[in-house]
Amino acid sequence: DAKTTQPPSMDCAEGRAANLPCNHSTISGNEYVYWYRQIHSQGPQYIIHGLKNNETNEMASLIITEDRKSSTLILPHATLRDTAVYYCIVRVVGTDKLIFGTGTRLQVFP
Amino acid sequence: KAGVTQTPRYLIKTRGQQVTLSCSPISGHRSVSWYQQTPGQGLQFLFEYFSETQRNKGNFPGRFSGRQFSNSRSEMNVSTLELGDSALYLCASSFQIGRNTEAFFGQGTRLTVV
Repeated sequence: DAKTTQPPSMDCAEGRAANLPCNHSTISGNEYVYWYRQIHSQGPQYIIHGLKNNETNEMASLIITEDRKSSTLILPHATLRDTAVYYCIVRVVGTDKLIFGTGTRLQVFP
Repeated sequence: KAGVTQTPRYLIKTRGQQVTLSCSPISGHRSVSWYQQTPGQGLQFLFEYFSETQRNKGNFPGRFSGRQFSNSRSEMNVSTLELGDSALYLCASSFQIGRNTEAFFGQGTRLTVV
């Protein structure tokens, strides 16, 4: 199962873009990258996922490098409510199994 | 559209007892997976179900079991509870297993074993 590596914590000023990096150097060619976040021990919230092309939705953008060994989640205008633990996950092919790492604790400050 | 519903939200049990947790997936979703979250181990995959069949299992002892019903609702059971089983138990549902669609989580059941 592919593993991911993320910085343990990051800070971001409110209104600025938050760029959260993730390394997944052992990812297989058909494995997707997923991002979730978790606020105050609530259930993880789905953010975005992608295979090799950049993806954007109403919450965030996902930039995946051409070699697919790393990706960056971008929150374009961070708010205080974006303070959470962000998980970068590689989904095991053919299953719904998500292997969570330790995530990045993002602190958005005023 | 209602989200994933887990019941109960909180539970306190005594060592040696057993417990059953319930998960109702989003309407139309047929895949349900379960996770355990503890401060020491983080979020760990327990098992996943699709069409009433367990498709994948994590590295947990046999005291942890589950099942899925024909309406896709799922239950997990933990027998002979230990203090270390205190955790937040989360379930997630998706439309169909392995299709690289979103999986949505419930709010979890917080189990405390005393």
